Amino acid sequence: NAGVTQTPKFQVLKTGQSMTLQCAQDMNHNSMYWYRQDPGMGLRLIYYSASEGTTDKGEVPNGYNVSRLNKREFSLRLESAAPSQTSVYFCASSEAPTGTFSYEQYFGPGTRLTVT
Amino acid sequence: SQKIEQNSEALNIQEGKTATLTCNYTNYSPAYLQWYRQDPGRGPVFLLLIRENEKEKRKERLKVTFDTTLKQSLFHITASQPADSATYLCALPPDTGRRALTFGSGTRLQVQP
Repeated sequence: NAGVTQTPKFQVLKTGQSMTLQCAQDMNHNSMYWYRQDPGMGLRLIYYSASEGTTDKGEVPNGYNVSRLNKREFSLRLESAAPSQTSVYFCASSEAPTGTFSYEQYFGPGTRLTVT
Repeated sequence: SQKIEQNSEALNIQEGKTATLTCNYTNYSPAYLQWYRQDPGRGPVFLLLIRENEKEKRKERLKVTFDTTLKQSLFHITASQPADSATYLCALPPDTGRRALTFGSGTRLQVQP
C-alpha cells in the first residue's frame, strides 16, 4: 500500500496563477484533510471531508477550494495564488471523522509551494 | 476556543538520557490526545494515543501521561538515541463541530551522540 500520496512535491507559482494539489489514499478511509504548515505556526486545517460527498471549512479556508472527487481522492485548488500561500501543504486521511472516537491520521509527504 | 501550547524552543539532550516534551492546552477538556513524530521534509507519523481516563500509556521506549487537572500531557523518550531526533507534535480533538484534529506547533528534539 502506498498510503497517502500527493502531487506535485514542489511547485513555484507566480502571484495570480492557479493550480490544483492532488491527494489520493489507498486505505479505504472515509475522511480526508488538507493542512498547511508554516514555521512556528504548526499544522493548520484548511478544509476537510468527513465522508465522500461532503466538505467543510477548517481554520484557514480563504483562498482555497476543495473537491472530494471520490472516496480515494481529495484535491485542493488555489484559484489565484498569493505570496501568503507560500507554505508546505499536507494531505491526510483517517478511517472516520475525528470526534468522540479517536482515529489516527495518516499524512502524505507534502507539497512545498512557493508563490513569488 | 481551544489553545495548544508546545515549547517552541528545541530540546537538546545527550544520548541515553530521557527526553521529556510538554503539551499544554486551555479552554478545553479533550476526551483524548495524540502524539505524532515529524522528520524534516516529511509528513507527521502517529505515535501514541492516550484517553482522558488513562493516566499513562507506554509503547517500547515511549511513555505518555495525561493530567486532565493540569491540562497537560508529557511525552517521554527513555534511553534516547540520535535517531529519535525529530519534531514531536501533540494533537487534540476539536472543541467545536469541526471534525478534525488540532495540532500544536511541535517541539524539536535533538539527541546528541
